[in-house]
Amino acid sequence: AQKITQTQPGMFVQEKEAVTLDCTYDTSDQSYGLFWYKQPSSGEMIFLIYQGSYDEQNATEGRYSLNFQKARKSANLVISASQLGDSAMYFCAMTYYGNNRLAFGKGNQVVVIP
Amino acid sequence: NAGVTQTPKFQVLKTGQSMTLQCAQDMNHEYMSWYRQDPGMGLRLIHYSVGAGITDQGEVPNGYNVSRSTTEDFPLRLLSAAPSQTSVYFCASSYSEPGRSGNTIYFGEGSWLTVV
Repeated sequence: AQKITQTQPGMFVQEKEAVTLDCTYDTSDQSYGLFWYKQPSSGEMIFLIYQGSYDEQNATEGRYSLNFQKARKSANLVISASQLGDSAMYFCAMTYYGNNRLAFGKGNQVVVIP
Repeated sequence: NAGVTQTPKFQVLKTGQSMTLQCAQDMNHEYMSWYRQDPGMGLRLIHYSVGAGITDQGEVPNGYNVSRSTTEDFPLRLLSAAPSQTSVYFCASSYSEPGRSGNTIYFGEGSWLTVV
């Protein structure tokens, strides 16, 4: 079974600084996908970034980048130049090819302060 | 949101009542799923469907039924509501199974359900 671990306590980040959110995963499969979602206080789930297990380059999407370390089974999200609108819960999730289930971690709370 | 519509957004039920949460998408997605989110938890998969007429159980299926008669719709039925089913429910859809590269999963805005 897949397992996603997000253990950081809530984080306060200064505006314009970078923040790294930790995510480790446990799987015996070789082919899988990793996702990060943002959930603001309004409640919707917003897709941020995707990393495939066979992707050689770390994924990037604007200010979001994924620090993928396959051997360590970690997929940390880096948000550069934090903005007030980045205040939200952030969820790491994974699935593997051929499986129709998306497994989520418990989330990281980020509060950006001016 | 990107074409996934959930109704109702808020609902209060009495223990033992039944109800249906509606989910519709207009993107011709084959894969649809229902999740629940409880405080301090990530989303947990209830049921999913890989196409019309095909459904399967997720991680926490007890107390819920689903059907998929059309590609567009994937309703979630609570048969006899219990306080333990108080939660936020999310419907999601994607073109194909989530594990495929670049296959974006779109979520609805959530349905807040309270069972008293």
